Amino acid sequence: GENVEQHPSTLSVQEGDSAVIKCTYSDSASNYFPWYKQELGKRPQLIIDIRSNVGEKKDQRIAVTLNKTAKHFSLHITETQPEDSAVYFCAASIGGNAGNMLTFGGGTRLMVKP
Amino acid sequence: DTAVSQTPKYLVTQMGNDKSIKCEQNLGHDTMYWYKQDSKKFLKIMFSYNNKELIINETVPNRFSPKSPDKAHLNLHINSLELGDSAVYFCASSRQGNSPLHFGNGTRLTVT
Repeated sequence: GENVEQHPSTLSVQEGDSAVIKCTYSDSASNYFPWYKQELGKRPQLIIDIRSNVGEKKDQRIAVTLNKTAKHFSLHITETQPEDSAVYFCAASIGGNAGNMLTFGGGTRLMVKP
Repeated sequence: DTAVSQTPKYLVTQMGNDKSIKCEQNLGHDTMYWYKQDSKKFLKIMFSYNNKELIINETVPNRFSPKSPDKAHLNLHINSLELGDSAVYFCASSRQGNSPLHFGNGTRLTVT
């Protein structure tokens, strides 16, 4: 089955700096790569996703890049703010008729210091 | 309006008991899921279910069983609860194919 590894497990940045989180996946058939943000005690919420036919996607301060050959994808957050502090999860799946059985990475705890 | 709602929010029970967690979605999605998040925050798929197919993660003990009375509901039944079952259980739903998952707010299960 799919295996997703995520690094780093914790990341501390100063407000205004950029943050980068990296993930690798094992199954070359995976074609959908979402990123979720989970604040303390709350549910994971989708912040951005990318499909395998696209190399890069951007949404305001958040961007994701995908390298299918190397089987890795990354989340970039620019101009970080204290409210960006949370646990971020990458995931991968092979979407099909049964939906998306996402395999998640281990999570990155991002701390943005004011 | 809560898109994916699950109850109860907290569940404390003793070893050996049988319990259920309910989940409902009003998004009109075709597929529903159950995920388990352990104390280290690892999120692990347990089940994926639509009206055609149930996919079970092979590592899930058969004490866990999903039951879907209709397309908008997927309940989780757990028999003979064990200490290691303590975790936060998230229900989620999505459309078919490569679509985002929408999570419920989670049920924190504590087995004593």
